[in-house]
Amino acid sequence: EADIYQTPRYLVIGTGKKITLECSQTMGHDKMYWYQQDPGMELHLIHYSYGVNSTEKGDLSSESTVSRIRTEHFPLTLESARPSHTSQYLCASSEFGAGGNSPLHFGNGTRLTVT
Amino acid sequence: GENVEQHPSTLSVQEGDSAVIKCTYSDSASNYFPWYKQELGKRPQLIIDIRSNVGEKKDQRIAVTLNKTAKHFSLHITETQPEDSAVYFCAVPPGTASKLTFGTGTRLQVTL
Repeated sequence: EADIYQTPRYLVIGTGKKITLECSQTMGHDKMYWYQQDPGMELHLIHYSYGVNSTEKGDLSSESTVSRIRTEHFPLTLESARPSHTSQYLCASSEFGAGGNSPLHFGNGTRLTVT
Repeated sequence: GENVEQHPSTLSVQEGDSAVIKCTYSDSASNYFPWYKQELGKRPQLIIDIRSNVGEKKDQRIAVTLNKTAKHFSLHITETQPEDSAVYFCAVPPGTASKLTFGTGTRLQVTL
Protein backbone atom coordinates (compact mmCIF):
# COMPACT_ATOMS: atom_id res chain seq x y z
CA GLU A 1 0.00 0.00 0.00
CA ALA A 2 1.36 3.43 -0.93
CA ASP A 3 2.14 5.34 2.22
CA ILE A 4 4.74 7.42 4.04
CA TYR A 5 6.84 5.63 6.66
CA GLN A 6 8.84 7.00 9.55
CA THR A 7 11.30 5.20 11.78
CA PRO A 8 11.85 4.95 14.63
CA ARG A 9 8.41 5.55 16.12
CA TYR A 10 9.90 6.44 19.52
CA LEU A 11 13.48 7.37 20.42
CA VAL A 12 15.10 8.21 23.74
CA ILE A 13 18.72 9.35 23.57
CA GLY A 14 21.25 11.22 25.66
CA THR A 15 22.45 14.77 25.14
CA GLY A 16 25.18 15.16 22.54
CA LYS A 17 24.29 12.10 20.46
CA LYS A 18 23.96 12.23 16.70
CA ILE A 19 20.68 10.86 15.35
CA THR A 20 18.96 10.39 12.02
CA LEU A 21 15.21 10.20 11.68
CA GLU A 22 14.17 8.20 8.65
CA CYS A 23 11.32 9.04 6.27
CA SER A 24 10.37 7.16 3.13
CA GLN A 25 7.34 7.39 0.88
CA THR A 26 6.07 5.02 -1.76
CA MET A 27 3.55 7.47 -3.22
CA GLY A 28 5.81 8.80 -5.96
CA HIS A 29 5.54 12.34 -4.60
CA ASP A 30 8.08 15.00 -5.54
CA LYS A 31 7.62 17.27 -2.52
CA MET A 32 8.57 16.28 1.02
CA TYR A 33 8.50 18.14 4.33
CA TRP A 34 9.54 17.90 7.97
CA TYR A 35 7.34 19.44 10.65
CA GLN A 36 7.98 19.69 14.38
CA GLN A 37 4.99 19.38 16.68
CA ASP A 38 4.64 19.26 20.45
CA PRO A 39 1.66 16.96 21.27
CA GLY A 40 -1.63 18.54 20.18
CA MET A 41 0.04 21.82 19.38
CA GLU A 42 0.85 23.79 16.23
CA LEU A 43 2.92 22.25 13.43
CA HIS A 44 6.10 24.13 12.54
CA LEU A 45 7.83 23.63 9.18
CA ILE A 46 11.56 23.00 9.66
CA HIS A 47 12.69 21.69 6.24
CA TYR A 48 11.24 20.98 2.81
CA SER A 49 12.28 19.66 -0.56
CA TYR A 50 10.74 19.98 -4.02
CA GLY A 51 12.77 17.17 -5.53
CA VAL A 52 16.10 15.37 -5.63
CA ASN A 53 19.04 17.57 -4.56
CA SER A 54 16.63 20.36 -3.55
CA THR A 55 16.34 21.27 0.15
CA GLU A 56 15.21 24.44 1.91
CA LYS A 57 14.94 25.61 5.50
CA GLY A 58 11.44 26.19 6.83
CA ASP A 59 9.94 28.84 9.04
CA LEU A 60 11.20 27.44 12.35
CA SER A 61 14.89 27.72 13.02
CA SER A 62 16.31 24.25 13.49
CA GLU A 63 19.73 22.81 14.19
CA SER A 64 18.89 19.79 12.07
CA THR A 65 19.91 19.07 8.48
CA VAL A 66 18.24 17.10 5.69
CA SER A 67 19.23 15.46 2.42
CA ARG A 68 17.31 14.37 -0.67
CA ILE A 69 19.41 11.99 -2.72
CA ARG A 70 16.48 9.78 -3.77
CA THR A 71 12.91 10.86 -4.50
CA GLU A 72 11.42 8.51 -1.94
CA HIS A 73 13.82 9.19 0.95
CA PHE A 74 14.13 12.36 3.09
CA PRO A 75 16.11 11.75 6.30
CA LEU A 76 16.57 14.36 9.03
CA THR A 77 19.79 14.47 11.07
CA LEU A 78 20.59 16.09 14.40
CA GLU A 79 24.37 16.30 14.84
CA SER A 80 24.24 16.88 18.60
CA ALA A 81 20.91 16.33 20.32
CA ARG A 82 19.82 18.59 23.20
CA PRO A 83 16.84 18.44 25.59
CA SER A 84 15.29 21.38 23.66
CA HIS A 85 14.97 19.00 20.66
CA THR A 86 12.48 16.87 22.57
CA SER A 87 9.35 16.88 20.41
CA GLN A 88 7.45 14.96 17.74
CA TYR A 89 8.80 15.09 14.20
CA LEU A 90 6.33 14.58 11.37
CA CYS A 91 7.37 13.85 7.80
CA ALA A 92 4.95 14.63 4.97
CA SER A 93 4.80 14.46 1.20
CA SER A 94 2.66 15.87 -1.59
CA GLU A 95 2.53 15.62 -5.34
CA PHE A 96 3.35 18.41 -7.71
CA GLY A 97 -0.13 19.58 -8.63
CA ALA A 98 -0.97 21.83 -11.54
CA GLY A 99 -2.44 24.34 -9.09
CA GLY A 100 0.79 24.57 -7.09
CA ASN A 101 -0.51 23.10 -3.86
CA SER A 102 -1.93 19.66 -3.16
CA PRO A 103 -2.79 17.79 0.06
CA LEU A 104 -0.07 16.77 2.49
CA HIS A 105 0.15 13.11 3.48
CA PHE A 106 1.76 12.65 6.87
CA GLY A 107 3.73 9.81 8.37
CA ASN A 108 3.02 8.55 11.89
CA GLY A 109 5.82 10.64 13.33
CA THR A 110 8.88 10.05 15.50
CA ARG A 111 8.53 11.01 19.13
CA LEU A 112 12.00 12.08 20.27
CA THR A 113 13.07 12.49 23.88
CA VAL A 114 16.53 13.83 24.68
CA THR A 115 17.66 13.28 28.26
CA GLY B 1 5.82 35.09 6.03
CA GLU B 2 2.19 34.04 6.22
CA ASN B 3 0.35 34.86 9.45
CA VAL B 4 -2.47 32.41 10.28
CA GLU B 5 -4.82 32.89 13.21
CA GLN B 6 -7.26 30.16 14.25
CA HIS B 7 -10.19 30.48 16.67
CA PRO B 8 -11.41 29.19 19.01
CA SER B 9 -8.59 27.23 20.62
CA THR B 10 -11.07 24.90 22.33
CA LEU B 11 -14.68 24.13 21.49
CA SER B 12 -17.12 21.90 23.34
CA VAL B 13 -20.46 20.98 21.73
CA GLN B 14 -23.17 18.48 22.43
CA GLU B 15 -23.66 15.59 20.08
CA GLY B 16 -25.87 16.62 17.19
CA ASP B 17 -24.97 20.31 17.42
CA SER B 18 -22.91 22.20 14.82
CA ALA B 19 -19.32 23.36 15.22
CA VAL B 20 -17.60 26.22 13.43
CA ILE B 21 -13.87 26.98 13.40
CA LYS B 22 -12.46 30.07 11.74
CA CYS B 23 -9.05 30.96 10.34
CA THR B 24 -7.77 34.29 9.12
CA TYR B 25 -4.67 34.77 6.98
CA SER B 26 -2.55 37.68 5.86
CA ASP B 27 -1.30 36.99 2.31
CA SER B 28 -3.93 37.94 -0.28
CA ALA B 29 -2.10 35.84 -2.90
CA SER B 30 -2.73 32.59 -0.99
CA ASN B 31 -4.78 30.20 -3.15
CA TYR B 32 -5.24 26.93 -1.26
CA PHE B 33 -7.01 26.34 2.08
CA PRO B 34 -7.02 22.86 3.64
CA TRP B 35 -8.28 21.59 6.97
CA TYR B 36 -6.63 18.72 8.84
CA LYS B 37 -7.97 16.55 11.65
CA GLN B 38 -5.62 15.00 14.19
CA GLU B 39 -6.95 12.43 16.61
CA LEU B 40 -5.07 11.75 19.82
CA GLY B 41 -1.77 9.99 19.07
CA LYS B 42 -2.45 9.87 15.33
CA ARG B 43 -1.09 11.66 12.28
CA PRO B 44 -2.88 14.73 10.85
CA GLN B 45 -5.23 13.82 8.00
CA LEU B 46 -6.81 16.06 5.37
CA ILE B 47 -10.59 16.26 5.76
CA ILE B 48 -11.46 18.96 3.24
CA ASP B 49 -9.79 21.66 1.16
CA ILE B 50 -10.82 24.53 -1.06
CA ARG B 51 -9.12 26.58 -3.73
CA SER B 52 -9.43 30.31 -4.19
CA ASN B 53 -11.69 30.11 -7.23
CA VAL B 54 -14.67 28.78 -5.22
CA GLY B 55 -16.49 30.12 -2.17
CA GLU B 56 -17.82 26.92 -0.59
CA LYS B 57 -17.27 23.18 -0.68
CA LYS B 58 -19.22 20.42 1.06
CA ASP B 59 -18.50 16.79 1.83
CA GLN B 60 -21.33 15.14 3.74
CA ARG B 61 -21.34 16.72 7.24
CA ILE B 62 -18.29 18.87 6.61
CA ALA B 63 -18.10 22.15 4.70
CA VAL B 64 -15.54 24.89 4.18
CA THR B 65 -16.40 28.48 3.26
CA LEU B 66 -13.93 31.03 1.95
CA ASN B 67 -14.10 34.81 1.99
CA LYS B 68 -11.13 36.02 -0.04
CA THR B 69 -11.97 39.69 0.42
CA ALA B 70 -11.90 39.43 4.20
CA LYS B 71 -9.12 36.81 4.10
CA HIS B 72 -10.78 34.20 6.24
CA PHE B 73 -12.14 30.68 5.83
CA SER B 74 -14.17 28.48 8.11
CA LEU B 75 -14.77 24.81 8.80
CA HIS B 76 -18.36 23.80 9.49
CA ILE B 77 -19.26 20.42 11.00
CA THR B 78 -22.96 19.60 11.27
CA GLU B 79 -24.65 16.87 13.33
CA THR B 80 -21.49 16.35 15.36
CA GLN B 81 -20.67 12.88 16.65
CA PRO B 82 -18.26 11.70 19.38
CA GLU B 83 -15.79 10.54 16.71
CA ASP B 84 -15.48 14.15 15.56
CA SER B 85 -13.58 14.85 18.80
CA ALA B 86 -10.02 15.77 17.75
CA VAL B 87 -7.71 18.72 17.13
CA TYR B 88 -8.44 20.54 13.87
CA PHE B 89 -5.83 22.60 12.03
CA CYS B 90 -6.26 25.04 9.19
CA ALA B 91 -3.34 25.72 6.88
CA VAL B 92 -2.42 28.33 4.30
CA PRO B 93 0.45 28.59 1.82
CA PRO B 94 2.41 31.87 1.81
CA GLY B 95 1.23 33.22 -1.53
CA THR B 96 1.37 30.49 -4.12
CA ALA B 97 4.33 28.70 -2.54
CA SER B 98 4.16 24.92 -2.27
CA LYS B 99 4.42 24.75 1.50
CA LEU B 100 1.89 25.28 4.29
CA THR B 101 1.75 27.41 7.43
CA PHE B 102 -0.55 25.83 10.01
CA GLY B 103 -2.91 27.50 12.45
CA THR B 104 -2.58 26.92 16.18
CA GLY B 105 -5.29 24.27 16.25
CA THR B 106 -8.76 23.89 17.76
CA ARG B 107 -9.50 21.11 20.22
CA LEU B 108 -13.08 20.00 19.57
CA GLN B 109 -14.85 17.95 22.22
CA VAL B 110 -18.22 16.41 21.36
CA THR B 111 -20.11 15.39 24.47
CA LEU B 112 -23.00 12.94 24.70
